[in-house]
Amino acid sequence: AQSVTQLDSHVSVSEGTPVLLRCNYSSSYSPSLFWYVQHPNKGLQLLLKYTSAATLVKGINGFEAEFKKSETSFHLTKPSAHMSDAAEYFCVVSVGSQGNLIFGKGTKLSVKP
Amino acid sequence: EAEVAQSPRYKITEKSQAVAFWCDPISGHATLYWYRQILGQGPELLVQFQDESVVDDSQLPKDRFSAERLKGVDSTLKIQPAELGDSAMYLCASSPQGVNTGELFFGEGSRLTVL
Repeated sequence: AQSVTQLDSHVSVSEGTPVLLRCNYSSSYSPSLFWYVQHPNKGLQLLLKYTSAATLVKGINGFEAEFKKSETSFHLTKPSAHMSDAAEYFCVVSVGSQGNLIFGKGTKLSVKP
Repeated sequence: EAEVAQSPRYKITEKSQAVAFWCDPISGHATLYWYRQILGQGPELLVQFQDESVVDDSQLPKDRFSAERLKGVDSTLKIQPAELGDSAMYLCASSPQGVNTGELFFGEGSRLTVL
């Protein structure tokens, strides 16, 4: 069965420092992977997606993620954190013919001034 | 910018009462989803509609939950009777027909508290 594991429930960084949110996936074949962001009291928003094209995927707001098959990872990074990046981030895998989404448990990102 | 509308934003009810949530997807989006997000966890799919038809309700607790999308536009999710464990955020999402890109457009959710 396909699944994702987010390795950190909470990450805290200082403004202007790099962000790394870790995600490992489990899949019997090449998966479609996504990162979604959820700001407080807001709906989930797609950050970026990997669908077997380029392994380095660029998303909105300066985020990017790299698909590494050998490590079964899809970590989310950003070179320089901004206060507005504080939110909950979900790693997601698409399964089945309907493309249903399986969400990880989320990583809460805090950004300190 | 088009958005998915949900109501109510917040609902407090006592156990054994009936609760209903409403969702209006983005115009033209044929696929509609209801997710449940328990505090501290990721969203889990409850039911998926394609137009007015249910395509996946395998995770919907059918003894107490029901969902409909009668005209293939807006949708209602009902819980009767509510239980303490139903306290969660109920998220509605939509996507365009025939597009399986994983990009879902989510509403802001309806937070349910069962006392």
